[in-house]
Amino acid sequence: GAVVSQHPSWVICKSGTSVKIECRSLDFQATTMFWYRQFPKQSLMLMATSNEGSKATYEQGVEKDKFLINHASLTLSTLTVTSAHPEDSSFYICSANPRQGAVAEAFFGQGTRLTVV
Amino acid sequence: SQQGEEDPQALSIQEGENATMNCSYKTSINNLQWYRQNSGRGLVHLILIRSNEREKHSGRLRVTLDTSKKSSSLLITASRAADTASYFCAVYGNNRLAFGKGNQVVVIP
Repeated sequence: GAVVSQHPSWVICKSGTSVKIECRSLDFQATTMFWYRQFPKQSLMLMATSNEGSKATYEQGVEKDKFLINHASLTLSTLTVTSAHPEDSSFYICSANPRQGAVAEAFFGQGTRLTVV
Repeated sequence: SQQGEEDPQALSIQEGENATMNCSYKTSINNLQWYRQNSGRGLVHLILIRSNEREKHSGRLRVTLDTSKKSSSLLITASRAADTASYFCAVYGNNRLAFGKGNQVVVIP
């Protein structure tokens, strides 16, 4: 199957600093990638759709200036949590599909555990 | 919006037993997918069933889909300790997947 790599797998940062998370499709090109946030024992919440070469599409309630998304190439999307606060602590996961369209299984990165202290 | 919703159950079963999880959704779908997540990890795709399919098998997994009731079930037969994980259903719509709440399954050796 397709491989999506996410880095780092965990990060601890101080309040007020920014953290960048990378999501790479290793063996396919992805014009679209997705960023999710997951709280403990809860489901995945879609934060935004990352579009290669254009602006990301954010879900309602997600601050685009807080969660900066850049999809500069067909294999890399980044999520930057700016001016992080303890409430931003969460598990962030990205996904991508090798095939576009409705019949498309998603491939996920390993996830990034962010802890803001 | 479309959203898969599992019955919010935490299952604890003995190794060798079967585990069944259910999922319901609200709108029309093109397909329904099941994913597995080990603690602190990303999701792994298990099986996809199209809206015109009623049942699908993959190894020890059996998925059913009832579009009239807007529901699906995932059966894991002859469970193993390694099946311990959270299982999510997801429905595809508006170019994205919407995930249900998830079922935590613990298989006791």
